[in-house]
Amino acid sequence: GDSVTQMEGPVTLSEEAFLTINCTYTATGYPSLFWYVQYPGEGLQLLLKATKADDKGSNKGFEATYRKETTSFHLEKGSVQVSDSAVYFCALSGTGGGNKLTFGTGTQLKVEL
Amino acid sequence: DTAVSQTPKYLVTQMGNDKSIKCEQNLGHDTMYWYKQDSKKFLKIMFSYNNKELIINETVPNRFSPKSPDKAHLNLHINSLELGDSAVYFCASSQGDRGWYEQYFGPGTRLTVT
Repeated sequence: GDSVTQMEGPVTLSEEAFLTINCTYTATGYPSLFWYVQYPGEGLQLLLKATKADDKGSNKGFEATYRKETTSFHLEKGSVQVSDSAVYFCALSGTGGGNKLTFGTGTQLKVEL
Repeated sequence: DTAVSQTPKYLVTQMGNDKSIKCEQNLGHDTMYWYKQDSKKFLKIMFSYNNKELIINETVPNRFSPKSPDKAHLNLHINSLELGDSAVYFCASSQGDRGWYEQYFGPGTRLTVT
C-alpha cells in the first residue's frame, strides 16, 4: 500500500538557518504530493502541493520538488523564522481514487532566536 | 468566515457513553472526510463521503458511524466510547474526490474519554 516516510524530529534551528525536511514515498503510479503544517492547537493548513513529476510547489518561502526518480518531496526554506515553529506533515494522495491522504509521521520544527 | 468548522472543540466524556461531532463546510465542496490524530500526532483517514455517498471506509470499529445529511455536513457518531478513542478528530473537505484536489481541514475536536 501507499506510505510516506519523513525525517524524525524534533528539529531545532536558529532563526535565519536553512531548513530541509526529508520526505520519501511509496505508491503506484503518479500520486499527488502535499506538505501540510500544523501550528500548536490548530488544524492542518496546506503549505504547498505538486501533482506531477518535476513540479515544484512553493508558498511563503517554502519549496518542494516532486522527484519521481528518487520518490522524494523534500521541504526546504532558505531562512526560517520563529513563526515557522510548527509540525510539518508530508502526505500523498494515491491513484486509487477517493482522494485518501496518507500522511508521514510529522516533523516538529522549533526555531529559536 | 470559517471554511470548515467543527463542534464541539473539546469533548470530555466517560467510557460507555455515546457522543457526536459535527462538521460543516461553506466552500461548496463535494467531498468530506474524517481523520483521527493520535497522541503521537499520527493522522489516519477514517471515512470519506462524495456527494453524500460513502466512498472510503477504513478499518474503523463499527461503533463509529458517519452521516452526511447534505454535501455541506458530515457528522461522526461514536457509540460505547472506549479509552482508546481519545484523540483529536479532524474533518476536512475538498472540491472533488480526485487526488489532485487539496483538502481543507477544520480546527479539530479533542475527545477525551475517562
